[in-house]
Amino acid sequence: KNEVEQSPQNLTAQEGEFITINCSYSVGISALHWLQQHPGGGIVSLFMLSSGKKKHGRLIATINIQEKHSSLHITASHPRDSAVYICAVRSLADKLIFGTGTRLQVFP
Amino acid sequence: DAMVIQNPRYQVTQFGKPVTLSCSQTLNHNVMYWYQQKSSQAPKLLFHYYDKDFNNEADTPDNFQSRRPNTSFCFLDIRSPGLGDAAMYLCATSLTRAYNEQFFGPGTRLTVL
Repeated sequence: KNEVEQSPQNLTAQEGEFITINCSYSVGISALHWLQQHPGGGIVSLFMLSSGKKKHGRLIATINIQEKHSSLHITASHPRDSAVYICAVRSLADKLIFGTGTRLQVFP
Repeated sequence: DAMVIQNPRYQVTQFGKPVTLSCSQTLNHNVMYWYQQKSSQAPKLLFHYYDKDFNNEADTPDNFQSRRPNTSFCFLDIRSPGLGDAAMYLCATSLTRAYNEQFFGPGTRLTVL
């Protein structure tokens, strides 16, 4: 079992839909990252959080430390949001442990 | 505006022919990381530098080496690339190791013929 699990693995949506991607982890962490990777591209850091909630534009990330769970929400999704979204946690040993990613496709 | 720059973006090499990938940063961060990402897989940390202190992951093959001549630059050397080394290589930086966001470069896609 992976230390960082994401669901769903694949997600298809129509433009304008509200999207939620979930991340659960089983190790102690100091921080959790949400990353975005477009096909064939590098990785962009969306959020780093250790408690509560952060919002940036149409993106919202929440974390519940007690439940070891985080969610990434995209409001009013757009085709340009199509990408792989990766949850990564920074372990207490300072290692970044990656989830396997959620592939999102948003159709017009 | 570019903060973490990788060159080249695409590299083609022949089986067994040494290749060097380059990463530079304008953030003045202390830590630089090299990751290998194969298709549909999560990135895998190869090694990182904290200043000049080199930290190799236990399962990184000897075929992979790294150099950091100064704060801004870090190189990944693959001494004898095999077909299995074809991947995206990602460079990242962070201010320190603990509780710091990592900033990723655009990656270099390596093809081995």
